[in-house]
Amino acid sequence: NAGVTQTPKFQVLKTGQSMTLQCAQDMNHEYMSWYRQDPGMGLRLIHYSVGAGITDQGEVPNGYNVSRSTTEDFPLRLLSAAPSQTSVYFCASSYGGGEYNEQFFGPGTRLTVL
Amino acid sequence: SQKIEQNSEALNIQEGKTATLTCNYTNYSPAYLQWYRQDPGRGPVFLLLIRENEKEKRKERLKVTFDTTLKQSLFHITASQPADSATYLCARSYSGGGADGLTFGKGTHLIIQP
Repeated sequence: NAGVTQTPKFQVLKTGQSMTLQCAQDMNHEYMSWYRQDPGMGLRLIHYSVGAGITDQGEVPNGYNVSRSTTEDFPLRLLSAAPSQTSVYFCASSYGGGEYNEQFFGPGTRLTVL
Repeated sequence: SQKIEQNSEALNIQEGKTATLTCNYTNYSPAYLQWYRQDPGRGPVFLLLIRENEKEKRKERLKVTFDTTLKQSLFHITASQPADSATYLCARSYSGGGADGLTFGKGTHLIIQP
């Protein structure tokens, strides 16, 4: 299994541009989520999904959209990039059944908005 | 809102000693506390999960405790090694699989000195 994959690894955008960060998992996990990590702020939840067709907002959802059309994929869309969205973005997934289910994180996407 | 607080200053420990990291939470008790390890440039990796009605969990050289009276979890690494040097993250969830995502602390940077 490849686990959780994220593309691209690095991205530079200009203010106002839009883009989609891709996230895929091959473990048949129900739960998926997106986090951003900033120096001194820790990981903060952007959006999450408990299954295909179901998404909800996390702590910092403004400026981001998500959709979940398949179990495997959970893309994160930046509608109009702003310098404040410069960050490292992590996607995570977990099984969703039982109680002791670890979260698997992807390698991250480092985004710079100029 | 629920906050997870970790000592974000670096913790220096001599090799072979026990490293103890602290995670405090505010307000109501989370159903689960999870601990992750993060190395530079990588995504977090799950280590241990403890439920609110459990006092202690162990895995090899790792031990985590959960004290709902003190609103605190302690994470111990016994017989520490330089390879244990990393940032350790504490996170709360209300389901074992983190259906609603995780709330993270800022992490503690652990340095094990030879």
